Amino acid sequence: DQQVKQNSPSLSVQEGRISILNCDYTNSMFDYFLWYKKYPAEGPTFLISISSIKDKNEDGRFTVFLNKSAKHLSLHIVPSQPGDSAVYFCAATFGQAGTALIFGKGTTLSVSS
Amino acid sequence: GAVVSQHPSWVICKSGTSVKIECRSLDFQATTMFWYRQFPKQSLMLMATSNEGSKATYEQGVEKDKFLINHASLTLSTLTVTSAHPEDSSFYICSARDSGGRDQYFGPGTRLLVL
Repeated sequence: DQQVKQNSPSLSVQEGRISILNCDYTNSMFDYFLWYKKYPAEGPTFLISISSIKDKNEDGRFTVFLNKSAKHLSLHIVPSQPGDSAVYFCAATFGQAGTALIFGKGTTLSVSS
Repeated sequence: GAVVSQHPSWVICKSGTSVKIECRSLDFQATTMFWYRQFPKQSLMLMATSNEGSKATYEQGVEKDKFLINHASLTLSTLTVTSAHPEDSSFYICSARDSGGRDQYFGPGTRLLVL
């Protein structure tokens, strides 16, 4: 049973426009969510995170929105740049230190110039 | 931001040999480190959780005697693939959780090829 789902395997966006990456989760115990960007043959790069006590967190071009009632979060990238082209993973966790992340399967973002 | 290094980045070895991969948190202390494995076109698969000074916790289906994990300090965890076989060829990635927070930072990964 997949607890974190990224239902769109790919997304194509034009440079300068907004990229919206979606993620759904099923485990109501999750209380912390993270987004990572990953290039082939590299480790994931941390982008932004959000605690379940918030509904929005912003860092530069990246904003994460959390809708707890819908068990849904999204990552907005504005404006999108060609260098943003990568695989984006949504991850969730709960509880105290030592709890591992549960990852979605990723969404491949392609930003064309 | 927080930096996690892995060494080596690439390793090719003969079947039957053991390979050690190091994971270091360079600018923060990590009470907990995690080891993942990624197969082509798949998501990261958690192998084990490594806590400083105690035994690692392995996920179901991961052989603890084959994948030895040592977390001897707050900045270093090692994964040793013992008696490696071709099916162990994969991309191994570690992550470290900042002791003061909940964000996790990943290393660049180690590509293992067993001939």
